[in-house]
Amino acid sequence: GENVEQHPSTLSVQEGDSAVIKCTYSDSASNYFPWYKQELGKRPQLIIDIRSNVGEKKDQRIAVTLNKTAKHFSLHITETQPEDSAVYFCAASRGAQKLVFGQGTRLTINP
Amino acid sequence: ETGVTQTPRHLVMGMTNKKSLKCEQHLGHNAMYWYKQSAKKPLELMFVYSLEERVENNSVPSRFSPECPNSSHLFLHLHTLQPEDSALYLCASSPSRSPTSNYGYTFGSGTRLTVV
Repeated sequence: GENVEQHPSTLSVQEGDSAVIKCTYSDSASNYFPWYKQELGKRPQLIIDIRSNVGEKKDQRIAVTLNKTAKHFSLHITETQPEDSAVYFCAASRGAQKLVFGQGTRLTINP
Repeated sequence: ETGVTQTPRHLVMGMTNKKSLKCEQHLGHNAMYWYKQSAKKPLELMFVYSLEERVENNSVPSRFSPECPNSSHLFLHLHTLQPEDSALYLCASSPSRSPTSNYGYTFGSGTRLTVV
């Protein structure tokens, strides 16, 4: 079955700098890759997703890139702000299969 | 609220108690999920229901018993739990589990369970 590895497990960046979180997946047939943000004490929320027919998707300060050949996808956050501090989860799935989540990255933005 | 409501938000129960967690979604989704979230395993899938049929049970101990009476409601019945079962229990739903489509999940706010 699918296996998703997420790195790093913790990431600390200065406010205004960029943050990058990377995930690798094992099932080459996976075709849907969402990212979730979970703030302290709150539910995971979908912030951006990408399907396998595109290589990059952007939404304001966040972007996701997908490399199907290497089977990895990354979340990029530019001009980081304190409210970006949270745990971020990547996930992968194909067709009707369930989402398989990574282990999460705790991102801390230092003022 | 995102359209997925979980009750109660907090629950403290003794090891001999029986309690139930409830999840309700008003998004018209037809797949629902139970996840356990703890420090050791951030998002651990427990059960999957699709069109009210249980399609996955991830080796969950029998002291956890799910129920899906209709596509809008999902329950997790708890009995004789252990302290290590203390965690945040998250419910999620998704629009479809068809072979040709996949979508992200909408999570509820979770039930923070403490077993004493």
